[in-house]
Amino acid sequence: DGGITQSPKYLFRKEGQNVTLSCEQNLNHDAMYWYRQDPGQGLRLIYYSQIVNDFQKGDIAEGYSVSREKKESFPLTVTSAQKNPTAFYLCASSGTAWSEKLFFGSGTQLSVL
Amino acid sequence: GENVEQHPSTLSVQEGDSAVIKCTYSDSASNYFPWYKQELGKRPQLIIDIRSNVGEKKDQRIAVTLNKTAKHFSLHITETQPEDSAVYFCAASMRNSGYALNFGKGTSLLVTP
Repeated sequence: DGGITQSPKYLFRKEGQNVTLSCEQNLNHDAMYWYRQDPGQGLRLIYYSQIVNDFQKGDIAEGYSVSREKKESFPLTVTSAQKNPTAFYLCASSGTAWSEKLFFGSGTQLSVL
Repeated sequence: GENVEQHPSTLSVQEGDSAVIKCTYSDSASNYFPWYKQELGKRPQLIIDIRSNVGEKKDQRIAVTLNKTAKHFSLHITETQPEDSAVYFCAASMRNSGYALNFGKGTSLLVTP
């Protein structure tokens, strides 16, 4: 469904630990995105990448890092600097970066132990 | 401040009635306005979208209208059914984020039999 796979479905982070969320797409899409969803807050943009080996900060990038070494992969690392990481994380892709339909992954629920 | 404002945050209607959700945006360069439906614990699904060169679009019971001058757009659902119950998000493309989508905070729609 949609050709975007996120893993794991659930993830738990210990204090001071970095964790990485995986996002893979087989749609041959150029652009990929990470959104964070909190109850009542909608979806907020963390990072986006319009092309391989390039990425840009979104509205809430502090405490997160990404890489885009391959077209099909856009992993998100939640670092220990992110003090409130508990949220539902959604990865998405679009054919191009220019106002195109987003295809979402099924999401990763991150919780703090 | 918010780039996309969405109202109301909750909406309860009786089956068969119409539901209207409204959004405003701030970036005059926004040119793509999708609406997503999200059921609990699932990924957002695109239900309808509109581009800035169109004023209205319909798909069966769902319609979207866009007023570029006033920078607002609305979702109209007619003949609502219990399965329409979900959270609905509007979004607008953002020029300062490579035209990535900026989302409203969502409307929780409840359709009672």
